[in-house]
Amino acid sequence: KQEVTQIPAALSVPEGENLVLNCSFTDSAIYNLQWFRQDPGKGLTSLLLIQSSQREQTSGRLNASLDKSSGRSTLYIAASQPGDSATYLCAVESGSGAGSYQLTFGKGTKLSVIP
Amino acid sequence: KAGVTQTPRYLIKTRGQQVTLSCSPISGHRSVSWYQQTPGQGLQFLFEYFSETQRNKGNFPGRFSGRQFSNSRSEMNVSTLELGDSALYLCASSLLASQETQYFGPGTRLLVL
Repeated sequence: KQEVTQIPAALSVPEGENLVLNCSFTDSAIYNLQWFRQDPGKGLTSLLLIQSSQREQTSGRLNASLDKSSGRSTLYIAASQPGDSATYLCAVESGSGAGSYQLTFGKGTKLSVIP
Repeated sequence: KAGVTQTPRYLIKTRGQQVTLSCSPISGHRSVSWYQQTPGQGLQFLFEYFSETQRNKGNFPGRFSGRQFSNSRSEMNVSTLELGDSALYLCASSLLASQETQYFGPGTRLLVL
């Protein structure tokens, strides 16, 4: 059974700092890994998707890496801003056969960027 | 292009009742997945539909069921509600199937009293 762990559970940083969020998973047989952002009481917004054959993806100030063999991913946020405050969720996509799939989520890292 | 929509946004029910939640995927998307989010368990996969067929189901009791219509809209039903069913229910859609970005709706907040 796939398990996804995110460390730390919460993080508070001053504005302008660079930071790293960590995600680990137990089964390396994944199709891809996705990072999402969730604002309080709202749905999820997709940030980055890394296919299993890729090592990293970048979007603006965000950079995500994937080391499938060790079961790890990191999300790097450069020059953090108060608007980055949210919960960041990591999810891995695994197949269950017959062309189906499902996402297994970590419990998230709650980020607070202090002005 | 409109995003994923879910109705209703908020719902209050009492134990023993049943509830139906609705999800309209992004136009053209054929895969719809449902998730339950609670503070204790986080996000957990309920089921996934593709072209009106349920292809995968998470580890939830049979009280949780769903269906998908020919226009890809999906509904999920929870019968005999329990207090522990209080949660945010999220649906997500993607164009075809796997290895694609999942687009999530805003969720339906269900409170069971």
